Amino acid sequence: QVTLRESGPALVKPTQTLTLTCTFSGFSLTSSGKCVSWIRQPPGKALEWLAMVDWEDDKFYDASLSTRLTISRDTSKNQVVLTMTNVDPMDTATYYCALDSGDYVFDSWGQGILVTVSS
Amino acid sequence: SSELTQDAVVSVALGQTVRITCQGDSLGKFYASWYQQKPGQAPSLVIYGRNKRPSGIPDRFSGSSSGNTAFLTITGAQAEDEADYYCNSRDTRLYTRFVFGSGTKVTVL
Repeated sequence: QVTLRESGPALVKPTQTLTLTCTFSGFSLTSSGKCVSWIRQPPGKALEWLAMVDWEDDKFYDASLSTRLTISRDTSKNQVVLTMTNVDPMDTATYYCALDSGDYVFDSWGQGILVTVSS
Repeated sequence: SSELTQDAVVSVALGQTVRITCQGDSLGKFYASWYQQKPGQAPSLVIYGRNKRPSGIPDRFSGSSSGNTAFLTITGAQAEDEADYYCNSRDTRLYTRFVFGSGTKVTVL
């Protein structure tokens, strides 16, 4: 059974760096075709894809946020970490991690973590 | 920029059929996938590829496409189908992988 769980701070101050961790089980991120993405959703708004790391440790980012995002993986801990620098209140959102098993779709999702950016 | 456009709100009478549209340049090249999101919950996959349904998704959900437009059809809508629906596809921009639609709120009357 695949599970993903997001963890991190619920509140961060503007200009700080946000670090989120996705801890997963039920699959190996070194298996061919497996990818983990971060996706966010501001309150009342649409989903927004942020970043992805794949089974070969290749990384991809949303073009508009690429200068602020870093995604990494720790296969020994079954974790994927997203860092976002210089956060702003506009970054307030629920952040999800999700698994793509190889069909370019998000077939399993974490429950999400609400992050509020406020002074 | 690459983007996917959806109608904001769609209503359907209980037991009737509703079609949700998703329009964007990437859909001329890539399949759309569709996600259902109920209040307070994470999204869940309902349709992907050429009209494929994950295990457990009722067959009243179906997908199709024409040119740069993808469609999600609910045939015989049930009360539990009331939710937000998002389309998604691969992105045509270099180094960017995915793009989501703006979302459609489906209300079952």
